[in-house]
Amino acid sequence: AQKVTQAQTEISVVEKEDVTLDCVYETRDTTYYLFWYKQPPSGELVFLIRRNSFDEQNEISGRYSWNFQKSTSSFNFTITASQVVDSAVYFCALIRMDSNYQLIWGAGTKLIIKP
Amino acid sequence: DGGITQSPKYLFRKEGQNVTLSCEQNLNHDAMYWYRQDPGQGLRLIYYSQIVNDFQKGDIAEGYSVSREKKESFPLTVTSAQKNPTAFYLCASSPPGGARHGSNQPQHFGDGTRLSIL
Repeated sequence: AQKVTQAQTEISVVEKEDVTLDCVYETRDTTYYLFWYKQPPSGELVFLIRRNSFDEQNEISGRYSWNFQKSTSSFNFTITASQVVDSAVYFCALIRMDSNYQLIWGAGTKLIIKP
Repeated sequence: DGGITQSPKYLFRKEGQNVTLSCEQNLNHDAMYWYRQDPGQGLRLIYYSQIVNDFQKGDIAEGYSVSREKKESFPLTVTSAQKNPTAFYLCASSPPGGARHGSNQPQHFGDGTRLSIL
């Protein structure tokens, strides 16, 4: 079965703290793609990153970083020095390679950054 | 600016009524998607279309219908057969990539339509 699990339903931290959002996936595919999206209170989903299974390098983009570990089937997302504007729901997603590349979505993690 | 436009932002449906949600994109993307989002849950795929005049059912297509007569447009009709239509509906599109009948490229989303029952 293919599945994405975001076990943290809600996380609340104080501004400037670092926070890590967990994403664990299950797939039988040897080639696959993982995504992170941000959904602010306004509702639209904003694409953050795409990672393919052959690229295990961690990625950093400003205050955002992603740790991809195939050995543990995890693709975790860390925000350093969090800001109030980071408050949103964050979704992790996996492409279903056997079903026209449709996305399997995690349930999302609601991140609350308190001033 | 290129993007995806969904309208209306809020929609109310009466019992037994069909309603249509609009989705227009000017990104020149081939693929378009409709998702339903319920509180505390991830997105669930309703329908998707990889090319004009062709579309496939997603995981929860019952009670919904779509058409894809133009590349830019992918309207979703919520029919009276959908007994629990109250949800947030998101439309997305993506450029081609990776497969003949699918795309591994990121999907771009509209602002969504919130549908409620009167």
